[in-house]
Amino acid sequence: EAQVTQNPRYLITVTGKKLTVTCSQNMNHEYMSWYRQDPGLGLRQIYYSMNVEVTDKGDVPEGYKVSRKEKRNFPLILESPSPNQTSLYFCASSLSLWAQETQYFGPGTRLLVL
Amino acid sequence: KQEVTQIPAALSVPEGENLVLNCSFTDSAIYNLQWFRQDPGKGLTSLLLIQSSQREQTSGRLNASLDKSSGRSTLYIAASQPGDSATYLCAVLVYNQGGKLIFGQGTELSVKP
Repeated sequence: EAQVTQNPRYLITVTGKKLTVTCSQNMNHEYMSWYRQDPGLGLRQIYYSMNVEVTDKGDVPEGYKVSRKEKRNFPLILESPSPNQTSLYFCASSLSLWAQETQYFGPGTRLLVL
Repeated sequence: KQEVTQIPAALSVPEGENLVLNCSFTDSAIYNLQWFRQDPGKGLTSLLLIQSSQREQTSGRLNASLDKSSGRSTLYIAASQPGDSATYLCAVLVYNQGGKLIFGQGTELSVKP
């Protein structure tokens, strides 16, 4: 089954404790992206990757890091989480950003930073 | 800078009614426009994608239109059902902002039996 998976689905952590949210897709997609969703602010892009070893900042990259060492994986790293990073996070992928094909979204990771 | 607006923020209709959800965008230089559905606490599911050269797309009871010149798209849902209750989001893919998908804030639809 074609899908985007994220782990963990729920996470409670404390300020400053490094964490990684994993994202994996099984569709051989080139393009992958991370979004956060907050009430009243909607979905905002954090980082995106056009292909392996190619990443770029989205609208709200501060406090986040990403890497794209393999095509299928695009982990989101919070080196020193802060309460303002409490949010619902989504990973998405598509064949290619410009392929006129839709993006597939993961189920989301709900993060609470105390 | 591209901005996407969806009005109304929430809509409640009786079952069986035909309805229209609206999406507007400020910059007509879009590559495509996509409509998504989001159920509470879940991820987004793609409904329709309209390329910038197209005027509409249809899937079952859903029909999406695109008018680039006026910066508008509509999602028409025919014969609404309680199972259509969800938040509907539109998003535009733009050329000139690093190739990002820009989302509206969504319309929360409730279809009452």
